[in-house]
Amino acid sequence: AQTVTQSQPEMSVQEAETVTLSCTYDTSESDYYLFWYKQPPSRQMILVIRQEAYKQQNATENRFSVNFQKAAKSFSLKISDSQLGDAAMYFCAYRREDFGNEKLTFGTGTRLTIIP
Amino acid sequence: DSGVTQTPKHLITATGQRVTLRCSPRSGDLSVYWYQQSLDQGLQFLIQYYNGEERAKGNILERFSAQQFPDLHSELNLSSLELGDSALYFCASSISGGWDTQYFGPGTRLTVL
Repeated sequence: AQTVTQSQPEMSVQEAETVTLSCTYDTSESDYYLFWYKQPPSRQMILVIRQEAYKQQNATENRFSVNFQKAAKSFSLKISDSQLGDAAMYFCAYRREDFGNEKLTFGTGTRLTIIP
Repeated sequence: DSGVTQTPKHLITATGQRVTLRCSPRSGDLSVYWYQQSLDQGLQFLIQYYNGEERAKGNILERFSAQQFPDLHSELNLSSLELGDSALYFCASSISGGWDTQYFGPGTRLTVL
């Protein structure tokens, strides 16, 4: 079974600085998708960024970027120029590339605090 | 706003009772997923429906059931409720098939007293 591990339960960063959240996963599949979701205090789950395993290029979305290391099964999220609105729980998630088995497997989350 | 709606937002009930949670997917999405978020179990996949048919099942208890209707909205039924069923229940939807993303609703907070 696939597992997703987020080893940092909590992280903090000064406003305007850069922070990296770690995620590792275990799978025997070669094709899959990886996601970072953000859950602010409102509890809404918001997609931050996604990565297809067959793409070597790391995904970027404005201030958010990933470092995808397929061989190491690592998928870290970098947040640049951190803002107060970035404070949230961040969940790493894995999904197989399998029509009919599209469930997301989540890590335990990292709580990110932004220090003004 | 993801376009996925869930009702009710909050639900408080007693042990042994039965409740129904409702989800309307984004326009055009055929798949609906249910997830449970609890303090001890984290975010766990419960069940997926695609165009009215059950497609995948996760760690869903026998006391729980779901269905997807012809208009594609879905309901999650929880019966014989126990204290441990208190959690945030999310519905997500996607077009399904190929490269697609699951968009989450705001969740229903269930409290069992």
